[in-house]
Amino acid sequence: DAGVTQSPTHLIKTRGQQVTLRCSPISGHKSVSWYQQVLGQGPQFIFQYYEKEERGRGNFPDRFSARQFPNYSSELNVNALLLGDSALYLCASSLGNRVEGEKLFFGSGTQLSVL
Amino acid sequence: AQTVTQSQPEMSVQEAETVTLSCTYDTSESDYYLFWYKQPPSRQMILVIRQEAYKQQNATENRFSVNFQKAAKSFSLKISDSQLGDAAMYFCAYYYSGGGADGLTFGKGTHLIIQP
Repeated sequence: DAGVTQSPTHLIKTRGQQVTLRCSPISGHKSVSWYQQVLGQGPQFIFQYYEKEERGRGNFPDRFSARQFPNYSSELNVNALLLGDSALYLCASSLGNRVEGEKLFFGSGTQLSVL
Repeated sequence: AQTVTQSQPEMSVQEAETVTLSCTYDTSESDYYLFWYKQPPSRQMILVIRQEAYKQQNATENRFSVNFQKAAKSFSLKISDSQLGDAAMYFCAYYYSGGGADGLTFGKGTHLIIQP
C-alpha cells in the first residue's frame, strides 16, 4: 500500500505570491492533518480535516486555509506569502478515530522557500 | 496550552550502547497520549512508540522503550543496542483529543548521533 504522498517536493515562491500544496492519505484513512516545520524546530499543527470537515485549527493566520476532497485528499493554501512561511510542510493521515489516540502517518513533506 | 520540553538538543552514543532521551510536558488533563517520532535526514516523521496516559505499563517496541512518569509529567525514550540507523532527530509529542485543536504538540527535538 502506498504511504502518504505529498506534492510537490520542493517549491520556490516570492513574497506576496500564493501557493497550493497537495496531499493524498493512506488508503482507508479519513483524516488529514497539516504541520509546519521551521528549520531547527518541531512541527507545528496547522489544520486537521476529517470527513471533509475542519476538525481543528492551530494558531496560524487566516492566510492559511485548507480543504479536503471526497476522496480524502487535501490541499493546503497559503496566500500573501511572507519570508517566514519558508518551512517544511508535512501532511499526516490517520483513521481519525480519536480512540486510537491519533496515530499519525506522515509524508515526506513539501519544502517551501519564499524569496 | 500544553507544552513539550526536550532539554537535550543533542546526544551521542556508541554503537550497541544504550541511550535515554528526555521529555517533559505540561498539561492539566488526565487522559492523553504521548509519542516519540523519529525524523531521519529524509525528513519523513516515523512513529517510534506511543503511550496512553491511562495505562501504567510502559510501552515497548523491540529495542525502544519508554519510562512514563505521569505524576512527574516525564516521558523518556530508551534505545537499547543502538544501531547506526537510529541516527536521527527524535521528537516527543503530546496529544489530547478534548482540547478542540486536535493536533499533536511537539518538542523541539533531540539530535541523536551514533558513534561507530
